[in-house]
Amino acid sequence: AQTVTQSQPEMSVQEAETVTLSCTYDTSESNYYLFWYKQPPSRQMILVIRQEAYKQQNATENRFSVNFQKAAKSFSLKISDSQLGDTAMYFCAFTRYNTDKLIFGTGTRLQVFP
Amino acid sequence: DADVTQTPRNRITKTGKRIMLECSQTKGHDRMYWYRQDPGLGLRLIYYSFDVKDINKGEISDGYSVSRQAQAKFSLSLESAIPNQTALYFCATHGRENTGELFFGEGSRLTVL
Repeated sequence: AQTVTQSQPEMSVQEAETVTLSCTYDTSESNYYLFWYKQPPSRQMILVIRQEAYKQQNATENRFSVNFQKAAKSFSLKISDSQLGDTAMYFCAFTRYNTDKLIFGTGTRLQVFP
Repeated sequence: DADVTQTPRNRITKTGKRIMLECSQTKGHDRMYWYRQDPGLGLRLIYYSFDVKDINKGEISDGYSVSRQAQAKFSLSLESAIPNQTALYFCATHGRENTGELFFGEGSRLTVL
């Protein structure tokens, strides 16, 4: 069975600084997708970034980038130039290829301070 | 992208009551999901449906039932609510094909007293 582990329950960062959220996963699959979702206080689940396992290049979306280490089964999220609006819960998620049944980690609560 | 609507957004009920959470999506997508979110546990899958005649149990289906009334509608029921079913419930449907993405509704917060 696949599992997703987020070992940092809470993180904090000062505005304009960079922060990295950790995620590890366990799977015997070779093809899969990994995601980071953001949940602000409004509780809406918002897709931040997506990575396909067969792609070696790390995904990037504006200030958000990932460090995908397939052999180590690690998928960290880097937020550059942190903004107050980045304050949220962040969930790492996994799904096998050709399915969208997501398995989530337990989340990391990120607080951005002015 | 899918537009997923959940009702009610918030509900307080008593132990033993029957509760239905409703979900609809406007894009005609076939796959729909119900997740439950608890603090410290993330989101866990309750039930999912690949089409109107295909309903599947997820990780934590005990105490819940679902109904896929139409392709656009997927309801979650608690036949006899208990306090440990107090949680935030999300309905979701898939995004672009073969991307693995899910798009979520705004969530239904249920409190069982």
